Amino acid sequence: EVQVVQSGAEVKKPGESLKISCKVSGYRFISYWIGWVRQMPGKGLEWMGIIYPDDSDTRYSPSFQGQVTISADKSISTAYLQWSSLKASDTAMYYCARARGAGGPFDYWGQGTLVTVSS
Amino acid sequence: QSVLTQPPSVSGAPGQRVTISCTGSSSNIGTGYDVHWYQQLPGTAPKVLIYGNSNRPSGVPDRFSGSKSGTSASLAITGLQAEDEADYYCQSYDSRLSVVFGGGTKLTVL
Repeated sequence: EVQVVQSGAEVKKPGESLKISCKVSGYRFISYWIGWVRQMPGKGLEWMGIIYPDDSDTRYSPSFQGQVTISADKSISTAYLQWSSLKASDTAMYYCARARGAGGPFDYWGQGTLVTVSS
Repeated sequence: QSVLTQPPSVSGAPGQRVTISCTGSSSNIGTGYDVHWYQQLPGTAPKVLIYGNSNRPSGVPDRFSGSKSGTSASLAITGLQAEDEADYYCQSYDSRLSVVFGGGTKLTVL
């Protein structure tokens, strides 16, 4: 059974760094893409970027390029999303999801990680 | 403003049929890239409803169907049920921007 489990909710201050995780099981991690999607409170889905764990081929939305870093650790079947300096506007729910190809579809989703950035 | 345009809301009575449109352009849907649809129930993660324009994953009722033509795609829901009340998103690939989502459509079952 495919499972996608994300790390727990985070409360951070502006300027702090953060790395959230997405651990998968039940399939061959290196054979599928993992994407990250942001959902701000009361808003729609925004694609942030995607990584192919086998060779770390990573692609970012122009809106998020330079703002976040996506990475993966093949040894523990885990993908990551990180910020070096959080802003209040980063407050959102973040989802990771498995994709069959770089263009989707996203067939298995994590439960989401709520990130709250507040002074 | 999303690259893929969806109506903000649609509504229908139980048992009725509703459709949700997803309008793109020549750099995404019009190029031939597949369209996928997701359902997001309140307080939950999105779930794939239709993939590859018109394919249903196992477990998705055949009341849900998808189609694509030109630069647009549509999701149809027949025999509307109260449990269908959710947000629906289309998603495709854009040759300039990579993965793109529609702005989402809130379905209300009257």
